[in-house]
Amino acid sequence: AQSVAQPEDQVNVAEGNPLTVKCTYSVSGNPYLFWYVQYPNRGLQFLLKYITGDNLVKGSYGFEAEFNKSQTSFHLKKPSALVSDSALYFCAVSTSYNTDKLIFGTGTRLQVFP
Amino acid sequence: ETGVTQSPTHLIKTRGQQVTLRCSSQSGHNTVSWYQQALGQGPQFIFQYYREEENGRGNFPPRFSGLQFPNYSSELNVNALELDDSALYLCASSSNYRGLETQYFGPGTRLLVL
Repeated sequence: AQSVAQPEDQVNVAEGNPLTVKCTYSVSGNPYLFWYVQYPNRGLQFLLKYITGDNLVKGSYGFEAEFNKSQTSFHLKKPSALVSDSALYFCAVSTSYNTDKLIFGTGTRLQVFP
Repeated sequence: ETGVTQSPTHLIKTRGQQVTLRCSSQSGHNTVSWYQQALGQGPQFIFQYYREEENGRGNFPPRFSGLQFPNYSSELNVNALELDDSALYLCASSSNYRGLETQYFGPGTRLLVL
């Protein structure tokens, strides 16, 4: 069965410090990996995705993620956190076999303190 | 904003009633997917429509049904509502059904079943 794990319910970081939000996955076939962010009472906003090629993917608002096939991970990173980055972050995966759906993790709440 | 719109934004129903939720996809997109997000959880795939045909379905009972119209807008219908159906319902549109395509989400409809 395909799955996504976000091992941390919450990540706390001081403004200006680097942040990492962790994601691991388990799929059959080649994974397509996505990060979305959700602000309160809003839908999901696309940040970035990995399909193939360079393992380091750059996305919106200064976020980037690194695909690691051997560790089956796709951690979200940002060099310098902003208070406005505080939100709920979801990792999701689809595959070349199950083309119809995204499988989401349970989410990680990022709290950036001034 | 993604250009994906949903209506209504909020809805209150009682157990046993029926509800219809609506979604307008982003211009140029022919694929719509619906997800249910319970409180504190990641979104769960309900089903996907591609060019007016159901293209895949998640683990939801038949009382969850859908339609896609020639203009690629979509409806989600839920019959015989249960208390556990209370959730945020998200629709997402994409340019086709392939797993590598980005799904762009609307703001959601929050359904409360009493």
